[in-house]
Amino acid sequence: GNSVTQMEGPVTLSEEAFLTINCTYTATGYPSLFWYVQYPGEGLQLLLKATKADDKGSNKGFEATYRKETTSFHLEKGSVQVSDSAVYFCALNTGFQKLVFGTGTRLLVSP
Amino acid sequence: DAGITQSPRHKVTETGTPVTLRCHQTENHRYMYWYRQDPGHGLRLIHYSYGVKDTDKGEVSDGYSVSRSKTEDFLLTLESATSSQTSVYFCAISGLAETDTQYFGPGTRLTVL
Repeated sequence: GNSVTQMEGPVTLSEEAFLTINCTYTATGYPSLFWYVQYPGEGLQLLLKATKADDKGSNKGFEATYRKETTSFHLEKGSVQVSDSAVYFCALNTGFQKLVFGTGTRLLVSP
Repeated sequence: DAGITQSPRHKVTETGTPVTLRCHQTENHRYMYWYRQDPGHGLRLIHYSYGVKDTDKGEVSDGYSVSRSKTEDFLLTLESATSSQTSVYFCAISGLAETDTQYFGPGTRLTVL
């Protein structure tokens, strides 16, 4: 079936460090892929998305590339800030507008 | 921000009582969803709607029912709440295209004692 696997957290970094959060997926067909972010006490917000292989989604300094050959969509940022502390969810669209989410990765950035 | 509100935002209830959560949108989007969020599980789809009076089950639908009598409102009902339904519930909306973004509401924290 369709599934998303994310790296376990928390990921703890110092400000200005490089961030990678791994995400791999299993799906039939060619799903769209998403990264959502959830700040404390809030709902999820779309961070970026990619709709086909080799597409790169980017937003607010975050990037992720849709790699069909490795079924991956890893999230990266070159220099994290304290304000990036949040929970990050990888998700795929299984068709008929249904999303399957990973379990989330908490990022903690210290000054 | 997409116009999505959820009510109530917090609720404490007792086992066996009925509970209804409301999601209201002002975007006229066709699709609406209910998810629950639990530690270690991410978000899991409970039910979704693809139009007025058109609904279908998600992966964790047991113990829940939904109704959509107007485009803008999607109700989630726990007929007889259990402690396992203690969770944070999120509503989401999206348009028609496969690549459309799902926009999420602020969530409802439900505690069943």
